[in-house]
Amino acid sequence: RKEVEQDPGPFNVPEGATVAFNCTYSNSASQSFFWYRQDCRKEPKLLMSVYSSGNEDGRFTAQLNRASQYISLLIRDSKLSDSATYLCVVDARGSWGKLQFGAGTQVVVTP
Amino acid sequence: NAGVTQTPKFQVLKTGQSMTLQCAQDMNHNSMYWYRQDPGMGLRLIYYSASEGTTDKGEVPNGYNVSRLNKREFSLRLESAAPSQTSVYFCASSWTSGGAGETQYFGPGTRLLVL
Repeated sequence: RKEVEQDPGPFNVPEGATVAFNCTYSNSASQSFFWYRQDCRKEPKLLMSVYSSGNEDGRFTAQLNRASQYISLLIRDSKLSDSATYLCVVDARGSWGKLQFGAGTQVVVTP
Repeated sequence: NAGVTQTPKFQVLKTGQSMTLQCAQDMNHNSMYWYRQDPGMGLRLIYYSASEGTTDKGEVPNGYNVSRLNKREFSLRLESAAPSQTSVYFCASSWTSGGAGETQYFGPGTRLLVL
């Protein structure tokens, strides 16, 4: 079983619509959670950290459900520029400083 | 501010050849990492360096060696390349001095093809 699992997609989303997707993680001791964004043939870049109470950054909302061990990302009012692969990242608790990366969920926003 | 830089951007090797991937960061970060990314898989940690002078194995270290040359530079060496090492290699850095996961900043990657 993978440490971090994501639906690979693609999620095809009309411009202006809302899209949401989840990621599940296996390490119940994990404390830090992130969403990274990766454009085609580019490096991953931090999109946002995910806090226990949930957090919002503009059109992006992240939620954490510790009981069910999943995190979610919701994108409102999708823009063409939101087309990317979104990587779910979880700290490998007990393994100093290490992060576990999901394989990513691809989002394609269409005009 | 360049952030994390990597050289080369692309490389083609023949099986058995050796090469070194270079990485440098100008953010005064303590920790540096080498990952590989293969289709359908998440980034996998090859080696990391918690601080200058220390290195340690990650999830997939076989066939690789690393050197933390100084605080800024962290190189990855393939002594005898194999087709299974065809991948995209990313270097990353972070402030981390230990404990919980922390934001990592990535270089642009090196695309390596081993024939």
